[in-house]
Amino acid sequence: AQKVTQAQTEISVVEKEDVTLDCVYETRDTTYYLFWYKQPPSGELVFLIRRNSFDEQNEISGRYSWNFQKSTSSFNFTITASQVVDSAVYFCALSDEYSGGGADGLTFGKGTHLIIQP
Amino acid sequence: DGGITQSPKYLFRKEGQNVTLSCEQNLNHDAMYWYRQDPGQGLRLIYYSQIVNDFQKGDIAEGYSVSREKKESFPLTVTSAQKNPTAFYLCASSTSRSYEQYFGPGTRLTVT
Repeated sequence: AQKVTQAQTEISVVEKEDVTLDCVYETRDTTYYLFWYKQPPSGELVFLIRRNSFDEQNEISGRYSWNFQKSTSSFNFTITASQVVDSAVYFCALSDEYSGGGADGLTFGKGTHLIIQP
Repeated sequence: DGGITQSPKYLFRKEGQNVTLSCEQNLNHDAMYWYRQDPGQGLRLIYYSQIVNDFQKGDIAEGYSVSREKKESFPLTVTSAQKNPTAFYLCASSTSRSYEQYFGPGTRLTVT
């Protein structure tokens, strides 16, 4: 069965520091999708990125970047020059063909609570 | 604006009562989902629906029921059979061929 592990329960850094959130996944499929979501204190999950298993190119979006490595089954998320507004819980999630694809729901990690101190 | 609405934001019920959580979307998405989130935990899938009048159980469907009579609506009923109903409930939707799920603001249910 598929599984997503976010070993860092909570990370606290000072504003402007870089921070990396780790995500390790398990799946028996060759075709799968990985996601990152942000959950601010309001509770609503905000979609950040989707990556399919055939595209190992790293992606950068402003201060956010993602490193996908199939060899280590990891999909790590880095925030550069962190800001207080980045404080939230971040979830990594997986969707694979074994679970029927995206329409069968996502498998989430337990989340990493990121605290950016001013 | 397009999006997903859930109501109410906070809901309080007495043990033994059924309660229905509302979820509406105007994104024209075919698929809709219900997740449950407990403190310090990730989200767990309760039910999902890929098309009107059809839905499937997720990982923790016991004690819950759903209906999908309209494309834009996917209400969740928490029945008295659900042993630990107090949680944060999130509804999501996606297109049938896109795997991003978009989430509503959630309903925080407290049962005493």
